[in-house]
Amino acid sequence: EVQLVESGGGLVQPGGSLRLSCAVSGFTFKNYEMNWVRQAPGKGLEWVSYISSGGSATYYADSVKGRFTISRDSAKNSVYLQMNSLRAEDTAVYYCARVSDFGVVLAADYWGQGTLVTVSS
Amino acid sequence: DIQMTQSPSSLSASVGDRVTITCRASQSVSAYLNWYQQKPGKAPRLLLYAASSLQSGVPSRFSGSGSGTDFTLTISSLRPEDFATYYCQETYSIPWTFGQGTKVEIK
Repeated sequence: EVQLVESGGGLVQPGGSLRLSCAVSGFTFKNYEMNWVRQAPGKGLEWVSYISSGGSATYYADSVKGRFTISRDSAKNSVYLQMNSLRAEDTAVYYCARVSDFGVVLAADYWGQGTLVTVSS
Repeated sequence: DIQMTQSPSSLSASVGDRVTITCRASQSVSAYLNWYQQKPGKAPRLLLYAASSLQSGVPSRFSGSGSGTDFTLTISSLRPEDFATYYCQETYSIPWTFGQGTKVEIK
């Protein structure tokens, strides 16, 4: 059974840092690209970041570029999101998602349950 | 960046109704278009990929069509478990933009 479990969320002050983790199981992690997607309270989904299967390619939304860093550790079957210089507008539930190649398109086919990040003084 | 616009933003429908949701891209995304369903407090669920291909385990009452800039998601006969918010997302180019969502509510 494919599982993705996020952790590391919590309350942090503006300007602070937090590191989210996503532990995966039930599939061969090294073969899959991964995403982070967030959802502010009562709002829609926002794509945040992508990492290739080998970790050599990473991409970010403009809203987090230069502040967030995505990484992965195949030995630990985990993907991470290091978040620095946090702002109130970063408050959201953060989801990690597995990206599958369906031949024609990439899509996030499995998602974790999400971890809440609250940026507030 | 590509902008994705869904319409309507919300709709009220009854069980058994046929429901259509539209997603329009600000430029062509070919068929690099996916649809997700999200229920309150839950993670999104992939329904369709490549505009019209049904994800494994998704009921056949869900269908999708379109290419280029205009796409539709259709639920042929609405069931109680289909009341949720639906999002389109393009994976044509980074950033992989989502539409703003369409909330399907019970009439």
